Amino acid sequence: AQSVAQPEDQVNVAEGNPLTVKCTYSVSGNPYLFWYVQYPNRGLQFLLKYITGDNLVKGSYGFEAEFNKSQTSFHLKKPSALVSDSALYFCAVRPRGSSGGYNKLIFGAGTRLAVHP
Amino acid sequence: GAVVSQHPSRVICKSGTSVKIECRSLDFQATTMFWYRQFPKQSLMLMATSNEGSKATYEQGVEKDKFLINHASLTLSTLTVTSAHPEDSSFYICSARDRDLHTGELFFGEGSRLTVL
Repeated sequence: AQSVAQPEDQVNVAEGNPLTVKCTYSVSGNPYLFWYVQYPNRGLQFLLKYITGDNLVKGSYGFEAEFNKSQTSFHLKKPSALVSDSALYFCAVRPRGSSGGYNKLIFGAGTRLAVHP
Repeated sequence: GAVVSQHPSRVICKSGTSVKIECRSLDFQATTMFWYRQFPKQSLMLMATSNEGSKATYEQGVEKDKFLINHASLTLSTLTVTSAHPEDSSFYICSARDRDLHTGELFFGEGSRLTVL
C-alpha cells in the first residue's frame, strides 16, 4: 500500500539552530513530493515541491528539502529556526501516472515543530 | 499565487440541521477539488474528489448521502453536511487543482470548523 511516514510526532529545536523534519514514502515510481505547513485553525500552506531535477529544493520562508531516491526520503530542513516556524508540517506525495490515485495527495500524519526562544 | 477561498470559516449549528460549506478558486479554474476532514492533532483524511460537471467520487467509508458534494462550475464546489450530528463536528478543508498546471500541486482553503451542538 502507498504510504507516507513522518516518524516524529514532534520536533523541538532552539531558535537559531538548524531543524530537520523527516519524511519517507512508499510509493511506486517517481512521485511528486510536497511539504505543507498548517498553523492553528488554518488550512495548509504550500512550502515546496519536488518534481524533477536538483535533489535540493528551496521553498518558502527559508525552508528547503532534500530528495533522496535511494532512501525514498524527502526531509524538510532549515538552517536557522525561528519561533514563528512553530506549526504543524505535513509531507505529501502524489503518485505519477493515470491510475486511480493520480489526482490524490497522500499525506503523512504530520509533525509538530516547536521552536523555543 | 493561486488562492482558494473557503466559507464559512466557522459555523455552529444545531443537531439535525444541514450546513453548506463553499470552496472557491479565486484566480484559476479547477476541474477537480478535494474535500478533507481533519480531526484534532491528526492528518487530513480525504473524503471525496469533486469533479466539475459530474458526480463526486467518495472514499471508502464516507457516506455520500451524508456529505453532499456539488461542483457546478470550474470555480466552486460545495460540501453540504446533511442532518448534522455532534460526531460530524470537525475541521473541513478543501483543496483545488489548477487545470492548467500539471505538477500535481494542490491549493488549499483556510478550512471550516463545524461545531454541531
